[in-house]
Amino acid sequence: DAGITQSPRYKITETGRQVTLMCHQTWSHSYMFWYRQDLGHGLRLIYYSAAADITDKGEVPDGYVVSRSKTENFPLTLESATRSQTSVYFCASKGQGSREKLFFGSGTQLSVL
Amino acid sequence: GNSVTQMEGPVTLSEEAFLTINCTYTATGYPSLFWYVQYPGEGLQLLLKATKADDKGSNKGFEATYRKETTSFHLEKGSVQVSDSAVYFCALSGGSGGSNYKLTFGKGTLLTVNP
Repeated sequence: DAGITQSPRYKITETGRQVTLMCHQTWSHSYMFWYRQDLGHGLRLIYYSAAADITDKGEVPDGYVVSRSKTENFPLTLESATRSQTSVYFCASKGQGSREKLFFGSGTQLSVL
Repeated sequence: GNSVTQMEGPVTLSEEAFLTINCTYTATGYPSLFWYVQYPGEGLQLLLKATKADDKGSNKGFEATYRKETTSFHLEKGSVQVSDSAVYFCALSGGSGGSNYKLTFGKGTLLTVNP
């Protein structure tokens, strides 16, 4: 019962470096999402995907890139990290049948120095 | 577009106190409404939901009623426990201006329950 897993759990990087956050789900859910959580802003949607090879921008996509070559994986890449991208990142997924219940990973705490 | 406004925290209560966390929403049509809970160091998990007007969602002693006339979905619990300490998020999906698969979240309310 692995569910949805994110890695790494914690990451420290420097401004300008490329960073990739991983997300893997074992349910074959169609939909996957990346959120960032910041004090005073709650959760904001970065990108989402309706299926393999189908991705779309959310509320705050600038500075991020996603891909979804396989249904179970949805990596998030910060091409050139900035301090404003210091945040906690959550991946989530849900299936076609349970349209409205999201399953969340445990999060990745990213610090950009 | 859709939006959710929930009361700002933090909220601090003593064990066995009554809890209310207010949530109001802006959306056209008939969105679905949710409360998610985030325990320390974990991701969010669904606490309860309601999909049509006057529905009451309930789970683990928490309740919330979908009030379309006041566009509200307030979370209540009659007697909180220390283990209820967490961040609570109100959220919605669907309605005329939103999709059924994307959620719009409020900013979250931190609840701390003291013994």
